[in-house]
Amino acid sequence: AQSVSQHNHHVILSEAASLELGCNYSYGGTVNLFWYVQYPGQHLQLLLKYFSGDPLVKGIKGFEAEFIKSKFSFNLRKPSVQWSDTAEYFCAVSSQRDDKIIFGKGTRLHILP
Amino acid sequence: DGGITQSPKYLFRKEGQNVTLSCEQNLNHDAMYWYRQDPGQGLRLIYYSQIVNDFQKGDIAEGYSVSREKKESFPLTVTSAQKNPTAFYLCASSLQGISNQPQHFGDGTRLSIL
Repeated sequence: AQSVSQHNHHVILSEAASLELGCNYSYGGTVNLFWYVQYPGQHLQLLLKYFSGDPLVKGIKGFEAEFIKSKFSFNLRKPSVQWSDTAEYFCAVSSQRDDKIIFGKGTRLHILP
Repeated sequence: DGGITQSPKYLFRKEGQNVTLSCEQNLNHDAMYWYRQDPGQGLRLIYYSQIVNDFQKGDIAEGYSVSREKKESFPLTVTSAQKNPTAFYLCASSLQGISNQPQHFGDGTRLSIL
């Protein structure tokens, strides 16, 4: 069955620490990959996406993610986090076979000032 | 500004009642989606519509119904058959119902049972 797995449900970091949130997927064929972010009190918004080409994609606010096809992974990274990065992060995957997107269960990131 | 408007923000339902959640978009998007968000569960797809007058069941459609009579509107009805309706409901849209189109989300409706 198609699935998306986010390894960490809750992450707590201090400001300036480096961040890596894991995402693995189980999907056949060509995939499209997304990271969405939900800041407190705000709507869910797109952070970055990968469709094809360079497997290292850069998004808003200094985030980047790397697609590693052999590992079925699309981990999100940021070299130095800020207090304003406190939010919930969702990895999502879609396949060109259908028009649905499968979301992971989310990772709550809490940055200590 | 273009966007997705969900109303109401908070909704209370008595047992045995049907309630309808509104979702309107002015982005001229073809595809619209309804998700349910529960703590620790992520987003689960209830229904989606790729074009007016057409919609498909998602992964958890039981106890819900939708209509798509207009391109900009995709209301969701939570029926009395839904045994555990308390949740946060998110509406989304995308330019086309194609897998590589990012989705735009509304602010959500929180439904609670009295």
